[in-house]
Amino acid sequence: DGGITQSPKYLFRKEGQNVTLSCEQNLNHDAMYWYRQDPGQGLRLIYYSQIVNDFQKGDIAEGYSVSREKKESFPLTVTSAQKNPTAFYLCASSMIPSSGELFFGEGSRLTVL
Amino acid sequence: AQSVSQHNHHVILSEAASLELGCNYSYGGTVNLFWYVQYPGQHLQLLLKYFSGDPLVKGIKGFEAEFIKSKFSFNLRKPSVQWSDTAEYFCAVNPYSSASKIIFGSGTRLSIRP
Repeated sequence: DGGITQSPKYLFRKEGQNVTLSCEQNLNHDAMYWYRQDPGQGLRLIYYSQIVNDFQKGDIAEGYSVSREKKESFPLTVTSAQKNPTAFYLCASSMIPSSGELFFGEGSRLTVL
Repeated sequence: AQSVSQHNHHVILSEAASLELGCNYSYGGTVNLFWYVQYPGQHLQLLLKYFSGDPLVKGIKGFEAEFIKSKFSFNLRKPSVQWSDTAEYFCAVNPYSSASKIIFGSGTRLSIRP
């Protein structure tokens, strides 16, 4: 089945540690996205990428980093510089970069202890 | 600042009531507009979209939305809600000027009383 796979689904981290969330898609989509979902704040864009080896900051990129070395993969690293990292993280992809129609993964819940 | 606003945070309705959820955006120029829905325990999924043409668009499960350019609005409507419509609804905007950037509103939680 085609889709987006995020792992892990649940992750616990101690303060000061970096953690990387995986996102893989087999939909052959060009664009990929990372959003953070917090109660009452909706989805906020962290980073997005339209093509391999290129990505742009979203509205809340501080404390996060990404890479896009392969079309199907867009991992997100939550660094120790992110002041409030506990959240639900959603990865998405889009078939046409400018269409805006997104397909979402199941999400990863990160808890910082 | 450019943004997408959903003013209703939580809406509670009885079955068969009519629904209208507001969405306003502050981007100038041409935009693509979307409503996404997140049912409890499920992925976010597309409900309907507007790219161009008829400003009244119809989506899945009897939902529709009207794009009013002069008001920068894209309100979601359904004439008669069902208990199964209980979900969180997100409005999203893709400004043409920002290529692939897609911005979401804060969401509206809809609770339907059986």
